[in-house]
Amino acid sequence: AQTVTQSQPEMSVQEAETVTLSCTYDTSESDYYLFWYKQPPSRQMILVIRQEAYKQQNATENRFSVNFQKAAKSFSLKISDSQLGDAAMYFCAYRAYSGTSYGKLTFGQGTILTVHP
Amino acid sequence: EAQVTQNPRYLITVTGKKLTVTCSQNMNHEYMSWYRQDPGLGLRQIYYSMNVEVTDKGDVPEGYKVSRKEKRNFPLILESPSPNQTSLYFCASSLSWGGNQPQHFGDGTRLSIL
Repeated sequence: AQTVTQSQPEMSVQEAETVTLSCTYDTSESDYYLFWYKQPPSRQMILVIRQEAYKQQNATENRFSVNFQKAAKSFSLKISDSQLGDAAMYFCAYRAYSGTSYGKLTFGQGTILTVHP
Repeated sequence: EAQVTQNPRYLITVTGKKLTVTCSQNMNHEYMSWYRQDPGLGLRQIYYSMNVEVTDKGDVPEGYKVSRKEKRNFPLILESPSPNQTSLYFCASSLSWGGNQPQHFGDGTRLSIL
């Protein structure tokens, strides 16, 4: 079974600084998808960024980028120029490309990000 | 507006009293799923449905039932709720069950079982 681990329960960053959230996963599959979701206090689940495992290029969405290391099974999220609105719980998630768990998102435990003004 | 709608958003009830959390999507999505969120555990899948009349268990299905009689609706039923089902519940949908298509989440239902 696939597992996703976020080893940092809490992180903090100063406004305008850069922060990196860690995520590792375990799978025997070669094709899969990885996601980062943001959950602000409003409880909404908001997709931040996604990465296809077959793509070597790291995904980027404005101030958000990932460092995808397939061999190490690592998928970290970098937030540049942090803003107060980035404060939230962040979840890393894995989705299989095929197989019996096709379609299911497997989530990590979450990392609470605090942004200090 | 494309959305996934869950109701209610909050519910406090007592052990053993049957309850249903409704979920409806207006995007003609085939795949729908229920998750529960607990501190330190992230979100875990309860049940999912790949299309009308096709449902299957996720990782934590005990104590829950679902049905998918119409494409847009996917209710979660707790026949005899217990305190260990106190949690934050999310319904999600996506166009299909595969690919990198994002899952769209509802706003969550906070259930408290006393």
